Amino acid sequence: QQPVQSPQAVILREGEDAVINCSSSKALYSVHWYRQKHGEAPVFLMILLKGGEQKGHEKISASFNEKKQQSSLYLTASQLSYSGTYFCGTDSQGGSEKLVFGKGTKLTVNP
Amino acid sequence: DSGVTQTPKHLITATGQRVTLRCSPRSGDLSVYWYQQSLDQGLQFLIQYYNGEERAKGNILERFSAQQFPDLHSELNLSSLELGDSALYFCASSARDTAHEKLFFGSGTQLSVL
Repeated sequence: QQPVQSPQAVILREGEDAVINCSSSKALYSVHWYRQKHGEAPVFLMILLKGGEQKGHEKISASFNEKKQQSSLYLTASQLSYSGTYFCGTDSQGGSEKLVFGKGTKLTVNP
Repeated sequence: DSGVTQTPKHLITATGQRVTLRCSPRSGDLSVYWYQQSLDQGLQFLIQYYNGEERAKGNILERFSAQQFPDLHSELNLSSLELGDSALYFCASSARDTAHEKLFFGSGTQLSVL
């Protein structure tokens, strides 16, 4: 089942922060985050495994709360290069080969 | 460059026709995934192969089929095409057959059905 992302879109000024949420109705074993720039392929950001760990990637970090079946992506001091659509992908079958993505959150960072 | 190669980049065809999309995974990757991306649905998982065998199936229509060959490249066949099949089709690969690994996406094939 497709995870639900919120918000659908967000517009920021350079230097502002943003949070993107991803929730599932199923128990999750892992959450993946990808970013897709306009006209390009999705690019991997990070994977969070069951255990509630938080990972970071430069000024982008994420958390995973498996009890709530939720993950959040935190973008701090946003840069113009952060613009794009962010997708969360969830693995709810524990080692399954299927990764189901949400509909995406479009992030626009303006000067 | 992700190392995943998809051909062709663009495909324009008519309703009722059949097309084949090709994907070569990164060197050493055994798993191939196909996704369909449309404006309102995001990335829809279609099917996954691992080392030549089908491992998972998503929202793939019966008119669509795929296979992975011994050299590990994969083909997605779309037949009896309808206007609604117009979309960007991505192939992705990973080293193994679990969802705990990151996927490397190709640049996609833009299919336009007229």
